[in-house]
Amino acid sequence: GAVVSQHPSWVICKSGTSVKIECRSLDFQATTMFWYRQFPKQSLMLMATSNEGSKATYEQGVEKDKFLINHASLTLSTLTVTSAHPEDSSFYICSASGRDREAFFGQGTRLTVV
Amino acid sequence: AQSVAQPEDQVNVAEGNPLTVKCTYSVSGNPYLFWYVQYPNRGLQFLLKYITGDNLVKGSYGFEAEFNKSQTSFHLKKPSALVSDSALYFCAVRDTLYNFNKFYFGSGTKLNVKP
Repeated sequence: GAVVSQHPSWVICKSGTSVKIECRSLDFQATTMFWYRQFPKQSLMLMATSNEGSKATYEQGVEKDKFLINHASLTLSTLTVTSAHPEDSSFYICSASGRDREAFFGQGTRLTVV
Repeated sequence: AQSVAQPEDQVNVAEGNPLTVKCTYSVSGNPYLFWYVQYPNRGLQFLLKYITGDNLVKGSYGFEAEFNKSQTSFHLKKPSALVSDSALYFCAVRDTLYNFNKFYFGSGTKLNVKP
């Protein structure tokens, strides 16, 4: 299957700082990328959907000013957690998909805010 | 609204026995259905999908799933379970009517395969 690379795999940051997570589709052009948040022993919570070259569509309850998403090209999307707080600590997962295709997932990023 | 349900939080099976992980769906339009597996602290890995065609879909690692339109189900199966199959399994449906970009995931089923 297609490869989606997510970086970093884990990050620890201080409260109040910002963290950027990258998601790259390595061998196909992703028309759409998704960002999810997963709490322990729970399913994925969709945060936002981004299409290349346009603004991301955020799910209800997700703060767009806090979780900045950029989808600058068909192979790269970034999620920036701004002014991080301990409650933002979570497992963040990106996925990428082309039309009529399954979604392929990155390996996830474990964010810990101290 | 599009949705999938996984009625079992956990499934326990002995190694070598057949396994079934259940999934039912509710969609408007034609269903695009998927199964994914997640190992601890990892992203999701694609197992198989149903878009159209044969109701029995074969996927990775010996898994298969049967699309049943009348029962609106898409259960994941494997004839002989391995201990290494122990993981978290997610069923998903893609919206083909209102927002083609959106995937809806079930709550996940933890599969425990005991030696």
